[in-house]
Amino acid sequence: QVQLQESGPGLVKPSETLSLTCTVSSGSVSSSDFYWTWIRQPPGKGLEWIGYIHYSGSTSYNPSLKSRVTVSLDTSKNQFSLKLSSVIAADTAVYFCSRGGGWYGSDAFDIWGQGTVVTVSS
Amino acid sequence: QSVLTQPPSASGTPGQRVTISCSGSSSNIGNNIVNWYQQLPRTAPKLLIYGSNQRPSGVPDRFSGSKSGSSASLAISGLQSEDEADYYCAAWDDSLSGLVFGTGTKVTV
Repeated sequence: QVQLQESGPGLVKPSETLSLTCTVSSGSVSSSDFYWTWIRQPPGKGLEWIGYIHYSGSTSYNPSLKSRVTVSLDTSKNQFSLKLSSVIAADTAVYFCSRGGGWYGSDAFDIWGQGTVVTVSS
Repeated sequence: QSVLTQPPSASGTPGQRVTISCSGSSSNIGNNIVNWYQQLPRTAPKLLIYGSNQRPSGVPDRFSGSKSGSSASLAISGLQSEDEADYYCAAWDDSLSGLVFGTGTKVTV
């Protein structure tokens, strides 16, 4: 059973860069079937798609975040990562990593991490 | 601001049928498939419906999805207490070149 686990700082200062890593176990980020995705949820609010990366290196980002977001893949560690620069208080959220693609289609996320809380505050 | 609109809440008694709507446009639901997610309190979302009307293995057949034009619906029949959760629709938006989620619906049993 594939599992995802987010890790990274829970507190980030305004204007700094948020960095999170998602470790994939019992599966491989090198599979061409999947899109490795980040999604976030501000406190008490709905879900927001951040972006994804495919094994080929192709990426797609939320247009509203595109200028600040980078998603990357580390096949040697079987991980993928999120960097969000110049953070503000509105970036405070639970950040989920997830897997899209495969049998269910590129936009369907069938495996999720438990989520990690990131607070932006000085 | 989400481009997919859902009612904020829906409710029913055990055994009833509840329907949740998801309204979009020709650039998203009208031209792409819809997926639905269930989020139980304090947990990660779970894929409930994919391809607009397909259930992943393990999802009870009480849950069904449909799509017509630029709108989609999720129906829960034989409502149970464990169905109390937030439900989100999602679709790719061709104009935005990105995935959009619905505003979410809280179902109370």
